Amino acid sequence: TQLLEQSPQFLSIQEGENLTVYCNSSSVFSSLQWYRQEPGEGPVLLVTVVTGGEVKKLKRLTFQFGDARKDSSLHITAAQPGDTGLYLCAGGTNFGNEKLTFGTGTRLTIIP
Amino acid sequence: NAGVTQTPKFRILKIGQSMTLQCTQDMNHNYMYWYRQDPGMGLKLIYYSVGAGITDKGEVPNGYNVSRSTTEDFPLRLELAAPSQTSVYFCASRSTSAHEQYFGPGTRLTVT
Repeated sequence: TQLLEQSPQFLSIQEGENLTVYCNSSSVFSSLQWYRQEPGEGPVLLVTVVTGGEVKKLKRLTFQFGDARKDSSLHITAAQPGDTGLYLCAGGTNFGNEKLTFGTGTRLTIIP
Repeated sequence: NAGVTQTPKFRILKIGQSMTLQCTQDMNHNYMYWYRQDPGMGLKLIYYSVGAGITDKGEVPNGYNVSRSTTEDFPLRLELAAPSQTSVYFCASRSTSAHEQYFGPGTRLTVT
């Protein structure tokens, strides 16, 4: 069974601060996705990374896929209250018949 | 374009009762998935389907059944509800050529 551990599990910071969320596994994934989930809703995709060492930026969010494709990080610069939510990483294998393994989640709260 | 829709939104079942959770997508996606999400946790795959007439077990299939008679619909059946099945259930779909999974709004199920 593949496992994805996220850290921290909970994070509460002031508006304007920077933060990093980590997603680690002992397994290799062909792709790594990050989703954000708000209360009462389903997860919504933020980004997909597929190449070891890949870095993608989405406004104030920076995503990195580890060189060995076993880990990933999400960095948020100048956090805003709208960033509040549950962040989930998900590792994919075998793109043609892809099933995702979801991480344990990081619940982020940005205090105004 | 409604995306992925799920009904009902909420349901309370007594132990031993049965019910079907409905999921429909209007994006002509071949792949469909059922997940459960326990409080504060990531998502666990129950069943998935790669096309009409084809289904397969995920990580936690016990106590559930699925069918896929059309591309659009992927219902999840609980035959003998147990308290351990109290959870939020999400249906998702994706196209053959992309990684992104599109999620429905979820069904919150309580078994007492």
